Amino acid sequence: EVQLVESGGDLIQPGGSLRLSCAGSAFIVSSKHVSWVRQAPGKGLEWLSIIYPAGSTYYADSVKGRFSVSRDDPKNTVFLQLDSLRAEDTAMYYCATTADYRFEFWGQGTLVTVSS
Amino acid sequence: QTVVTQEPPFSVSPGGTVTLTCGLRSGSVSTNNHPSWYRQTPGQAPRTLIYNTDIRSSGVPDRFSGSILGNKAALTITGAQAEDDSDYYCVLYVSSYNWVFGGGTRLTVL
Repeated sequence: EVQLVESGGDLIQPGGSLRLSCAGSAFIVSSKHVSWVRQAPGKGLEWLSIIYPAGSTYYADSVKGRFSVSRDDPKNTVFLQLDSLRAEDTAMYYCATTADYRFEFWGQGTLVTVSS
Repeated sequence: QTVVTQEPPFSVSPGGTVTLTCGLRSGSVSTNNHPSWYRQTPGQAPRTLIYNTDIRSSGVPDRFSGSILGNKAALTITGAQAEDDSDYYCVLYVSSYNWVFGGGTRLTVL
């Protein structure tokens, strides 16, 4: 069964940085498109970024230049680097495999709280 | 900035039929936007219901169906059940390598 497990969420001060991890099991992460999606408390979902099997990366305009996605194939893990964090980045961050233009399998999320 | 629209909170009676829609503030939704639909209950990750307009995801009951109605994508629940009481989100592929979610619709079954 395909599973994704996010980790790395924390309480962080404004302006700080954080790296989130998305570990895959029962599948090879580098063979799949993997997206990051976030959800602010009580709000809707927001697509953030995607990494393709070949390594190409793409971002929503709202996070371009501050967030970056990468992958460690031996660890079967995708990362999301969050820089210059703001209060409005407070959210649950999910990773999801992406196929046929939909977000197929989701992790349970990791919570990022940006506050002084 | 692309804005994807969904209905405000909605209610349906058990056994009833409800159609939720997903539109673009500027423009029409087509199959080229590859609309997909997700259901989310509190504290849980979203679950895929429909993708590529009208394809049911594995394990999704056939009371869920997707379509294009006029200039919007639509999710129809035929014979709503108590467990369908959830938040529903659509997402559109609006341009190359760019997805935009709608704001979601809270569906109450009562």
